[in-house]
Amino acid sequence: KAGVTQTPRYLIKTRGQQVTLSCSPISGHRSVSWYQQTPGQGLQFLFEYFSETQRNKGNFPGRFSGRQFSNSRSEMNVSTLELGDSALYLCASSPTGVGNSPLHFGNGTRLTVT
Amino acid sequence: AQTVTQSQPEMSVQEAETVTLSCTYDTSESDYYLFWYKQPPSRQMILVIRQEAYKQQNATENRFSVNFQKAAKSFSLKISDSQLGDAAMYFCAYRSGVGAQKLVFGQGTRLTINP
Repeated sequence: KAGVTQTPRYLIKTRGQQVTLSCSPISGHRSVSWYQQTPGQGLQFLFEYFSETQRNKGNFPGRFSGRQFSNSRSEMNVSTLELGDSALYLCASSPTGVGNSPLHFGNGTRLTVT
Repeated sequence: AQTVTQSQPEMSVQEAETVTLSCTYDTSESDYYLFWYKQPPSRQMILVIRQEAYKQQNATENRFSVNFQKAAKSFSLKISDSQLGDAAMYFCAYRSGVGAQKLVFGQGTRLTINP
């Protein structure tokens, strides 16, 4: 079974631009979560989608948004990029996203904002 | 809000020896789940082991085991017979059993294996 696939692996953007990151979950997984990883703040939860509905949201500004499609694939969008948005963005999928159901992570998208 | 603390930013161990990584958490909940993930240089987070708070028995997965002390809110990871492939960042994570299901991660411990 294929794992979680994130594209692209690397992105370089300029301040003020917007970016869209993509995530394809493991087949059959209906929950997709996004996390931001930085050296200073560590791993921080962005949001979680289940069956196309945002079920949970972290403490990030409205510039960060996401969506999930009927095939469970998810996209994350960041508008008006700031230097501080430079980070590794990790997507994770799970059959249900609750309880002891573990998250299966992708390799991440490394975003650099210049 | 729940918090997870890993007090050891870095650890090192000789190959074939045993090492224990510490994790403490703060919560007022009684229903929750705990996880250890490793992140090698490839960046992919990989589940190492998980523990349900309602289970008293410590979880074990091959060379990996945990010491879960619920009253002390401690969840340490023991790696036996350390191998070079165990070198990675290790993250402890908490998930509530009700409401929000996000994972709350600790800051991580970088484990180095010396040959």
